Amino acid sequence: GIQVEQSPPDLILQEGANSTLRCNFSDSVNNLQWFHQNPWGQLINLFYIPSGTKQNGRLSATTVATERYSLLYISSSQTTDSGVYFCAVEPGETSGSRLTFGEGTQLTVNP
Amino acid sequence: DGGITQSPKYLFRKEGQNVTLSCEQNLNHDAMYWYRQDPGQGLRLIYYSQIVNDFQKGDIAEGYSVSREKKESFPLTVTSAQKNPTAFYLCASSIGAGSSDEQFFGPGTRLTVL
Repeated sequence: GIQVEQSPPDLILQEGANSTLRCNFSDSVNNLQWFHQNPWGQLINLFYIPSGTKQNGRLSATTVATERYSLLYISSSQTTDSGVYFCAVEPGETSGSRLTFGEGTQLTVNP
Repeated sequence: DGGITQSPKYLFRKEGQNVTLSCEQNLNHDAMYWYRQDPGQGLRLIYYSQIVNDFQKGDIAEGYSVSREKKESFPLTVTSAQKNPTAFYLCASSIGAGSSDEQFFGPGTRLTVL
């Protein structure tokens, strides 16, 4: 099946810093989503981005489907950005939205 | 208030007992999903349903069973055949059946088997 690799696995920042999280995938995809999992376990949708670039406030994401990677940018980080960020993809050959998740990036933002 | 609800939030069971986790959505979504998350790992798909009265196995279906009698509800039963049931279980839904649609998640149920 499709492989999803996220980097870095852990990231520690000072409040106000910028960061880039990366998601590499091994095959073509129909769907790519970025999620933030808060300390209580809730998965919050950040972006639905199978290709192109999107921005939402301090967050933006870019997916280059032909090169099989996606980037999540966090600018001016805040302590509330802490948590685990997941990339999830749906392989191109499947029918129905069967997401395969990466292992996540654990982000800690210190005050 | 539209969304996905899961109950209970925490569940404790003795080894060998079956347990059923509830998932309800009022988003009028056709597709629903169950995922399992172990500590420090990503989510893995257990079962999914694209339409009422139909469901398919995901990557780790052994030891689990589901039903989809109503569009709004997709309960998951963790049976005694599941060798390591202690985990965080998340339910999700998406608008379409058979299409690449954005998935939305419930708050999860933490199951601990003693």
